[in-house]
Amino acid sequence: AQRVTQPEKLLSVFKGAPVELKCNYSYSGSPELFWYVQYSRQRLQLLLRHISRESIKGFTADLNKGETSFHLKKPFAQEEDSAMYYCALSPYVGGGKLIFGQGTELSVKP
Amino acid sequence: ETGVTQTPRHLVMGMTNKKSLKCEQHLGHNAMYWYKQSAKKPLELMFVYNFKEQTENNSVPSRFSPECPNSSHLFLHLHTLQPEDSALYLCASSQETGAEAFFGQGTRLTVV
Repeated sequence: AQRVTQPEKLLSVFKGAPVELKCNYSYSGSPELFWYVQYSRQRLQLLLRHISRESIKGFTADLNKGETSFHLKKPFAQEEDSAMYYCALSPYVGGGKLIFGQGTELSVKP
Repeated sequence: ETGVTQTPRHLVMGMTNKKSLKCEQHLGHNAMYWYKQSAKKPLELMFVYNFKEQTENNSVPSRFSPECPNSSHLFLHLHTLQPEDSALYLCASSQETGAEAFFGQGTRLTVV
């Protein structure tokens, strides 16, 4: 079965602390993995994808095929990082058709 | 407004009503999608259209009827809905089914 699991509904950290948002997936194939973010009162938008290997706003995510994980990390959290974060997979290279996790709310306290 | 626009932003309807949700994109994309976001559940893909043709129906009940008259517009026609259909309905588009998806702000639907 195709599934994305984000075990934490809420993650609360202090400004400057490291952040790791967990994501595990189940898929019989080679999906593309994504992190989408939704800031307050804004639309869902792409943060990063594993295929591009970029660092966006200080966030990185490494695809671990052995552990079927795609955890999102940032060494020093900022208050403006507070948002809902969704991990997603797509059977297609590039995305489009997406299977989402339940989302993790990140709260960065001053 | 550029990007993906959804109207209305909020909709309250009775179980016997018929209503439609509209999605419009000005990005020149060829693929469009409907997603449903219910409380305490992940975003669920409902329908996929590619070049105006429906390519996926994710076991959605027939009380939800999509329509894609052209690559820029996508509708979701609603009739005889149930209270459990209350959710945020998100539209998205991408250049093709294998490209980055851009989302609208959603329509918050309440069925009473």
